[in-house]
Amino acid sequence: QVQLQQSGPGLVKPSQTLSLTCAISGDSVSSNSATWNWIRQSPSRGLEWLGRTYYRSQWFNDYAVSVKSRVTVNPDTSKNQLSLHLNSVTPEDTAVYYCARVIGGDGWFDPWGQGTLVTVSS
Amino acid sequence: DIVMTQSPDSLAVSLGERATINCKSSQNVLYSSNNKNYLGWYQQKPGQPPKLLIYWASTRESGVPDRFSGSGSGTDFTLTITSLQAEDVAVYYCQQYYSTPYSFGQGTKLEIK
Repeated sequence: QVQLQQSGPGLVKPSQTLSLTCAISGDSVSSNSATWNWIRQSPSRGLEWLGRTYYRSQWFNDYAVSVKSRVTVNPDTSKNQLSLHLNSVTPEDTAVYYCARVIGGDGWFDPWGQGTLVTVSS
Repeated sequence: DIVMTQSPDSLAVSLGERATINCKSSQNVLYSSNNKNYLGWYQQKPGQPPKLLIYWASTRESGVPDRFSGSGSGTDFTLTITSLQAEDVAVYYCQQYYSTPYSFGQGTKLEIK
């Protein structure tokens, strides 16, 4: 059974970098048959896909245009986890952040991490 | 980008009655090469991540009660809950995975009348 365990700070100051990690058990971040995604949820923006990383003989990343200039999703093969870094945050980035797996190429999200509420405030 | 629009935004249904939630995509999400609709449905309860109910528009995830069903094709989809139970109170989302950026509907809040 695949499980995703998120960790990271719940409070980030404006203009700083939001950093979260998602530890994977029961699967591998280097799997050739999965993609690893970050999604956030806020009352104003709803559920918003942020980006993904995946391995198909080499590493690939895709990002949402809305955050592309500020976001990085990185795999950490030594710890079997993925990370999210979102820089230059503003209060608009306040949200619950989730990691989630997709099997194959394009597909549904399952499972999800437990979610991390990140508040951007001074 | 594909925009997903759900209706209604909220819905109150009596226990044991049928609930119907609609989802419309701004573009076709039926992939002609495999005849599959790249559309999923999720249930979210407070304090929890979304839970997958339906994928390929009509395939029920393992363990999901058979009172949940999905239908539709192309741009118009429906999630139906027959014989509503108290534990079905939640927010329901549709999601397209036809192309990135993957996108979700705004959610439909289902309550007991």
